[in-house]
Amino acid sequence: KQEVTQIPAALSVPEGENLVLNCSFTDSAIYNLQWFRQDPGKGLTSLLLIQSSQREQTSGRLNASLDKSSGRSTLYIAASQPGDSATYLCAVSSLDSGAGSYQLTFGKGTKLSVIP
Amino acid sequence: EAQVTQNPRYLITVTGKKLTVTCSQNMNHEYMSWYRQDPGLGLRQIYYSMNVEVTDKGDVPEGYKVSRKEKRNFPLILESPSPNQTSLYFCASTTRQGFYNEQFFGPGTRLTVL
Repeated sequence: KQEVTQIPAALSVPEGENLVLNCSFTDSAIYNLQWFRQDPGKGLTSLLLIQSSQREQTSGRLNASLDKSSGRSTLYIAASQPGDSATYLCAVSSLDSGAGSYQLTFGKGTKLSVIP
Repeated sequence: EAQVTQNPRYLITVTGKKLTVTCSQNMNHEYMSWYRQDPGLGLRQIYYSMNVEVTDKGDVPEGYKVSRKEKRNFPLILESPSPNQTSLYFCASTTRQGFYNEQFFGPGTRLTVL
């Protein structure tokens, strides 16, 4: 069964720094990987979606990379701002061979605090 | 605007009192699902639906029911809520080939069962 791990669980950085969030998954046979942002008590906002055939995706100050063979993805945030403070979740889409169905497996997230 | 809506957003109830959380999407998506989010456990799938009248259990289906009579709606039913169902619930939708495509999430429903 697919397992997704995000390290670190929490991260605090001063404003302006570039930072990297990590996501690893156990089964490399994935369809895609999606990064989400979640503000406290709020819903999930999709940031980037990387298909299994892609190596990276970019949106503004965000860049997500995918190394499927090693089971890793990183989310790079350039020039961090206090407004970037949130929990970042990665989710992997794959086939649950036991159930014979598609599954979306989430990591537990990295809580980011950007200090002004 | 393309969106997934959930109602209510907040609900406090008592043990055993049946409740329904509604979910609706306006993107003509075939695939819909429900998740619960708990501290330290992350998001876990409760039920999903590949299309109208097709539903299946996720990882934590005990104590929940769903129905999919229309494409746009996927209500979550708690027949006899218990305190361990206190959680933040999310509905999500995507296209039929959902495993290739982006998931869209609703704003969440915070449920407290006393």
